[in-house]
Amino acid sequence: AQKITQTQPGMFVQEKEAVTLDCTYDTSDQSYGLFWYKQPSSGEMIFLIYQGSYDEQNATEGRYSLNFQKARKSANLVISASQLGDSAMYFCAMREGSQGGSEKLVFGKGTKLTVNP
Amino acid sequence: EAEVAQSPRYKITEKSQAVAFWCDPISGHATLYWYRQILGQGPELLVQFQDESVVDDSQLPKDRFSAERLKGVDSTLKIQPAELGDSAMYLCASSFTSGGARETQYFGPGTRLLVL
Repeated sequence: AQKITQTQPGMFVQEKEAVTLDCTYDTSDQSYGLFWYKQPSSGEMIFLIYQGSYDEQNATEGRYSLNFQKARKSANLVISASQLGDSAMYFCAMREGSQGGSEKLVFGKGTKLTVNP
Repeated sequence: EAEVAQSPRYKITEKSQAVAFWCDPISGHATLYWYRQILGQGPELLVQFQDESVVDDSQLPKDRFSAERLKGVDSTLKIQPAELGDSAMYLCASSFTSGGARETQYFGPGTRLLVL
């Protein structure tokens, strides 16, 4: 079963507007972490923001915020005041909280964001 | 700012040839990961090291792929022989510890492999 679902293959937003990228996840663990990464065309994966399953407040990092709805198992990324440099692929990923075992990130298929001037 | 280093950035090879990729994690990071990213997909884990020990290589095609981290610092991923389906981006990541769900993985710039 797919653990991370990103239903938007592509999104378009006007410069200076806000945009929400959707992510739903599936896990039976109580302890897990949710991550968002940005991948420009150059290829490197850039860490943006993290949300822990026990965190009571939604995570924020500058223009990035995470709309975490635990009961719905969703962790949507909100980018405010979009900039042309935000055009990239965005990946949602989950890490389950095992101790001493494999702690791989499981990624979704990504959303390609295009910011229009 | 500390970064994960990878080389080469690009590699073109013919099928049945051997290729090798190198990764140097952020200094002090005990955990190192190799991921493969096929075009249009998210990365998938190939192998995870904790220091010099393999923690998870369940998705590593062991008939042709090998990975080592002999001194618990830098790492090499090898493919021999390369096949057309190995064309992908190979990403290395590192984290400070394997301390559960919170530990952030930081990625290198990747190696783009094209097998002809």
